[in-house]
Amino acid sequence: EDQVTQSPEALRLQEGESSSLNCSYTVSGLRGLFWYRQDPGKGPEFLFTLYSAGEEKEKERLKATLTKKESFLHITAPKPEDSATYLCAVQSPSGSARQLTFGSGTQLTVLP
Amino acid sequence: SAVISQKPSRDICQRGTSLTIQCQVDSQVTMMFWYRQQPGQSLTLIATANQGSEATYESGFVIDKFPISRPNLTFSTLTVSNMSPEDSSIYLCSAKTSGVYEQYFGPGTRLTVT
Repeated sequence: EDQVTQSPEALRLQEGESSSLNCSYTVSGLRGLFWYRQDPGKGPEFLFTLYSAGEEKEKERLKATLTKKESFLHITAPKPEDSATYLCAVQSPSGSARQLTFGSGTQLTVLP
Repeated sequence: SAVISQKPSRDICQRGTSLTIQCQVDSQVTMMFWYRQQPGQSLTLIATANQGSEATYESGFVIDKFPISRPNLTFSTLTVSNMSPEDSSIYLCSAKTSGVYEQYFGPGTRLTVT
């Protein structure tokens, strides 16, 4: 069974204070690892897909990296508008209909 | 990417009644999914909506409780039947297109059952 564990559960940063969120996973054959951002009361917003160890993707202040066991979402010089819950999900050949298995998320708060 | 809308955005319903949630995608997609997100929790897949055939349900979810339709490649509905307070949750529709693995999500429907 696929498993995804995100840490920390919550993170409070001062504006400009860089940090990283962790996503550890156990899957039988990774097809893709996905990062989403979710604002309160809204659906998840797609950020990145990573397919293989060593891959990196960047978007503005966010950078996602992937190893064989975990992924990191690095946030450089965050701003208050980066406050949200960040979700990690994996897709593997197991399970029905190529479903995504989600972690429980990291709630990020960036203080001005 | 796909832009997804859902109706209603929120509703308050009485125990024992049913609610149908609509999901509309702005382009033809290969797969559509329905998720539930309970307060403070992550997303759990309810079922895959199959066009022209019965939906594929995940363990713990049954058709009598969550009937799903998908009459074409851009539209699906989820009905939450005979509701109880335990059904209070956010219900999310998602979709993916062929050739990519990522799913795109709608804004969700916040359901409260009293």
